[in-house]
Amino acid sequence: EAGVAQSPRYKIIEKRQSVAFWCNPISGHATLYWYQQILGQGPKLLIQFQNNGVVDDSQLPKDRFSAERLKGVDSTLKIQPAKLEDSAVYLCASSPDRGWETQYFGPGTRLLVL
Amino acid sequence: DAKTTQPPSMDCAEGRAANLPCNHSTISGNEYVYWYRQIHSQGPQYIIHGLKNNETNEMASLIITEDRKSSTLILPHATLRDTAVYYCILMSSGTYKYIFGTGTRLKVLA
Repeated sequence: EAGVAQSPRYKIIEKRQSVAFWCNPISGHATLYWYQQILGQGPKLLIQFQNNGVVDDSQLPKDRFSAERLKGVDSTLKIQPAKLEDSAVYLCASSPDRGWETQYFGPGTRLLVL
Repeated sequence: DAKTTQPPSMDCAEGRAANLPCNHSTISGNEYVYWYRQIHSQGPQYIIHGLKNNETNEMASLIITEDRKSSTLILPHATLRDTAVYYCILMSSGTYKYIFGTGTRLKVLA
C-alpha cells in the first residue's frame, strides 16, 4: 500500500514570496491533516479535512495560509506572503476516517524562508 | 498547549528494554493515550494507544497507571533503529485532535 506522498521535499524562498505544498493521501482515506513542525518542537495541527470539507482550521493563520482539498482527495497548502517564522517542516497525514486510531504521516516538506 | 510531560532525552543500551515515561495528570475520561515516534527527517509513525488497560503489539507495550495520570511506553529489546523522538499524546474522542508536546529524544547506544 502506497503511503502519503508530499512534494516538494525541500523548498527555499525569500520572505514575501508565495509557496505551495502538495499532498496525496493514502487511497480511500477520508480525513486529511496538515501540520507545521518548527525545529525542536512537536507537530502542530493547522487544518483538518473530512472529505473535501474543513473540520478544524482554528490554528491556521488565515491571513497568509490557505488550504484546499478538491474532490476530497489531493490537497494543497499555500503560504502567501511567507515570513521568516514560517520556516518549518510541513507534514501531511491521512486516516481512513475521523477518529480512526492511526494517522499516517508523509515525509514532510522542509521550507526555508530567507 | 500539550497536556503531557516527558523527559527531554534518554539513553538506552542496545538489546535492553527502553522505558519511556509520560505524565498526563489532567487527563479526561474520554482521552486516549497515544504514542508516536519520529525518526530523523521522517514523519511521525504510530506505535500504540490505549484508554485504561495495558496494551501490547508487535512494536511495544503501553502501561497506564490505574488513575490514568501517567503511562510508560516499553520497547522490550531496543535496537539502533529505535533511535528517535517519542511523543506521548492525548486524543479526545470528541475532537480527534492530536496535540503534540516536545517528546523524548531516545538514543539507543551500541
